[in-house]
Amino acid sequence: GQQVMQIPQYQHVQEGEDFTTYCNSSTTLSNIQWYKQRPGGHPVFLIQLVKSGEVKKQKRLTFQFGEAKKNSSLHITATQTTDVGTYFCAGHAGTASKLTFGTGTRLQVTL
Amino acid sequence: NAGVTQTPKFQVLKTGQSMTLQCAQDMNHNSMYWYRQDPGMGLRLIYYSASEGTTDKGEVPNGYNVSRLNKREFSLRLESAAPSQTSVYFCASTPGGLYEQYFGPGTRLTVT
Repeated sequence: GQQVMQIPQYQHVQEGEDFTTYCNSSTTLSNIQWYKQRPGGHPVFLIQLVKSGEVKKQKRLTFQFGEAKKNSSLHITATQTTDVGTYFCAGHAGTASKLTFGTGTRLQVTL
Repeated sequence: NAGVTQTPKFQVLKTGQSMTLQCAQDMNHNSMYWYRQDPGMGLRLIYYSASEGTTDKGEVPNGYNVSRLNKREFSLRLESAAPSQTSVYFCASTPGGLYEQYFGPGTRLTVT
């Protein structure tokens, strides 16, 4: 079945440092979505990318979708303590109703 | 507009007991989902309902049953709880297709 892996599993940074998480799918995806889950909270949608090679930015966050539509990345510039949480990528294969979630990357930011 | 609501928020069960987790959405979404999340783990799909009147198994359906009661409500039933079902359960909904999912606050279930 479809698998989506993320690396690293965990990263601890000092506030102001940059952070990147990588997402790799075993199959070609129709889209890639990114979610953020704060400690003790529920996943919240951040963004969706659909086109091969697409890049989108949200303030300090930059999202990329690979040319082959099998991988993606999320880069945070100058992390803040408010960035703490677990970041999940997720994608649809074809037009299937199921969204497959990645394994997640937990980000810890300290002053 | 409450979004996705889940009840209860917390539950402790003894092995062998049964219970139903309730989920409702007020966004007129077609598709609804049940996930479980174990400590330090990602989200695993238990069951989903692509549209009212249909349900399908996800990645980890064993030990669970679901009912899509109407367009708004999607319940998850544990017939005979086991310690391996200790987890946080999230319900989610989406208009369908490739749209994003909206999650409820979760139910934290402990089976002793």
